[in-house]
Amino acid sequence: DAKTTQPNSMESNEEEPVHLPCNHSTISGTDYIHWYRQLPSQGPEYVIHGLTSNVNNRMASLAIAEDRKSSTLILHRATLRDAAVYYCILTDRGGNQFYFGTGTSLTVIP
Amino acid sequence: DGGITQSPKYLFRKEGQNVTLSCEQNLNHDAMYWYRQDPGQGLRLIYYSQIVNDFQKGDIAEGYSVSREKKESFPLTVTSAQKNPTAFYLCASSIGWQGNNQPQHFGDGTRLSIL
Repeated sequence: DAKTTQPNSMESNEEEPVHLPCNHSTISGTDYIHWYRQLPSQGPEYVIHGLTSNVNNRMASLAIAEDRKSSTLILHRATLRDAAVYYCILTDRGGNQFYFGTGTSLTVIP
Repeated sequence: DGGITQSPKYLFRKEGQNVTLSCEQNLNHDAMYWYRQDPGQGLRLIYYSQIVNDFQKGDIAEGYSVSREKKESFPLTVTSAQKNPTAFYLCASSIGWQGNNQPQHFGDGTRLSIL
C-alpha cells in the first residue's frame, strides 16, 4: 500500500491562499490522489482528487508534480470554516481502499 | 437529500457485551465501508462490501463482524472479542469498488465508549 507524508500542522491567515503539501514517493502509475478534510466529531468530507493533471473545483485546486511523487492542495482564500484536518490519500491498485495517514491540522487565523 | 445515516451518535458498552452500529445510505451505492478512528489518528479500514451479500476484511477486522443483506444497509457488530473497542466509528459508501477513483461519502460517525 502506498503511503503519504504530510506536515502535522499548518497555519494560515484568513483570506490568504493556503498550500498544503503531500509527499507520496512510492505512488504507482494507476494510483489516484484524493484529498479529504475532517472537522472534529464529524466524518471526512471529499475535497478533490486527480491522477496526473492539475484539477480545479469549487472548493480547491490540486497541483500534481510531473513525476507524481508529490502533490499540493490549494485553498485559494482561507476562511475560518476551512480549519480542519486535511488528509492526502492514495487508493490501492486493486480497488477503492483508502489509506489514511494522520493528516495536516490547518489553523486559520482571523 | 441523499446521504449516509449512522446511529446512534453515542453508544456505551459494558464489558463482555456485543453492540451493533447502524449504517444506512440512500445514495444507491454498491460499495460500503467501515472505519475506526482513534484520537489523533487517521482512519483504519475494518470491513468493506463491494456488493450485496458480499464483504471482505480490512486491515483491522478482528473482533468485528458485518452483514450486507440489503444494498442500503451495512451494520457493524463490535463483539466482546474486541478488547479495545473505544473509538470513533465511521461508515462510508461509494458508487462501486472497481477502479480507484471513486469518492467515498462518509456518515457523521458513532462514538463508542466502554462503561
